[in-house]
Amino acid sequence: DAKTTQPNSMESNEEEPVHLPCNHSTISGTDYIHWYRQLPSQGPEYVIHGLTSNVNNRMASLAIAEDRKSSTLILHRATLRDAAVYYCILRDIIQGAQKLVFGQGTRLTINP
Amino acid sequence: DTGVSQDPRHKITKRGQNVTFRCDPISEHNRLYWYRQTLGQGPEFLTYFQNEAQLEKSRLLSDRFSAERPKGSFSTLEIQRTEQGDSAMYLCASRSGWNEQFFGPGTRLTVL
Repeated sequence: DAKTTQPNSMESNEEEPVHLPCNHSTISGTDYIHWYRQLPSQGPEYVIHGLTSNVNNRMASLAIAEDRKSSTLILHRATLRDAAVYYCILRDIIQGAQKLVFGQGTRLTINP
Repeated sequence: DTGVSQDPRHKITKRGQNVTFRCDPISEHNRLYWYRQTLGQGPEFLTYFQNEAQLEKSRLLSDRFSAERPKGSFSTLEIQRTEQGDSAMYLCASRSGWNEQFFGPGTRLTVL
């Protein structure tokens, strides 16, 4: 399984943008980039995913480097409810089970 | 609530006892996953079902672990002769087609 590298922790202030980086230098052509987050005492929840182009949804934006070896999850205006562990995951679309391989993620702290 | 549900939410047991957890996926989801998460780590894949067929098992799933999905709906995960190292959060997730995985709240197991 292709691996991702994320900072262990990041801190930001409420109502400011947050940029969460992820490196995935061994990404293959069939790997989609996924982001999940896990709030305290909850199961992970899907945030966003992309293949080559930048993506936007109601939760966040995903910026993917042209060589696809890195990506950045962007929370445009962080709230206290965005404090969570954020996981960057590569999912091989041709792999049968489509299981998710989690790393340790980035623990995001939001200051009021 | 139409999300993934898990029962019980917490289980405390003594070493050597058997425990069984239940997962009810989102009703139209034919794919079901079990993961295990220890403190400070990301979730680790245990096993995958498509309908009632168990199609993939992790090496983490020792002989003491067994999972079933008898009618392609709910699933159970049983751990026999529990050990202290089995203490973890057990997460269930489901999905349909190429959609994202939806996680339940997890069952936290403590083995004394």
